[in-house]
Amino acid sequence: DAKTTQPPSMDCAEGRAANLPCNHSTISGNEYVYWYRQIHSQGPQYIIHGLKNNETNEMASLIITEDRKSSTLILPHATLRDTAVYYCIVRGYSGGGADGLTFGKGTHLIIQP
Amino acid sequence: DGGITQSPKYLFRKEGQNVTLSCEQNLNHDAMYWYRQDPGQGLRLIYYSQIVNDFQKGDIAEGYSVSREKKESFPLTVTSAQKNPTAFYLCASSADRDEKLFFGSGTQLSVL
Repeated sequence: DAKTTQPPSMDCAEGRAANLPCNHSTISGNEYVYWYRQIHSQGPQYIIHGLKNNETNEMASLIITEDRKSSTLILPHATLRDTAVYYCIVRGYSGGGADGLTFGKGTHLIIQP
Repeated sequence: DGGITQSPKYLFRKEGQNVTLSCEQNLNHDAMYWYRQDPGQGLRLIYYSQIVNDFQKGDIAEGYSVSREKKESFPLTVTSAQKNPTAFYLCASSADRDEKLFFGSGTQLSVL
């Protein structure tokens, strides 16, 4: 699976949009981009995933660049409860890569009141 | 409610002792996983199982053992061979290897 690069930490004001970047320059054509988040001392929670088109759900939006070498997770109206570590993961489907997901250190997003 | 249950939430191990962490899911998922997380670090895969009675080593399997006798259960044993067992242990499941993971709330293991 391709490797990802994320900033170690970011701040965002409550009520503003939080934009979390992720670089995955070695991504291959059949690999998806997944985002999870982990609130302190809890298990990670799935947020969203996509292949090449932008995706939106009730939690967030995922913007993937046309060359697919980077992506941005957008939390449109951040609240204090969005303070967490956010993991960007690239994963191929069956036949490509090991089972399970590889979680790096992620980005620690801190929402400021 | 459907989900993954890990127990206990906190566990203490004495030197030379084996301890077993429980993971149960009622999501009818085929795949189950165990991860280890050290402070300030990401998650590392210990073992995974795609089907009952079958499991595979992950990146850091040494000092750990698992069993998958039932679809809903995937217990992890931390053996005395694991010299640095203090960590946060997370269990996860997915419908199959291509689907998103659902995680339990974790077990914090400490050494006395």
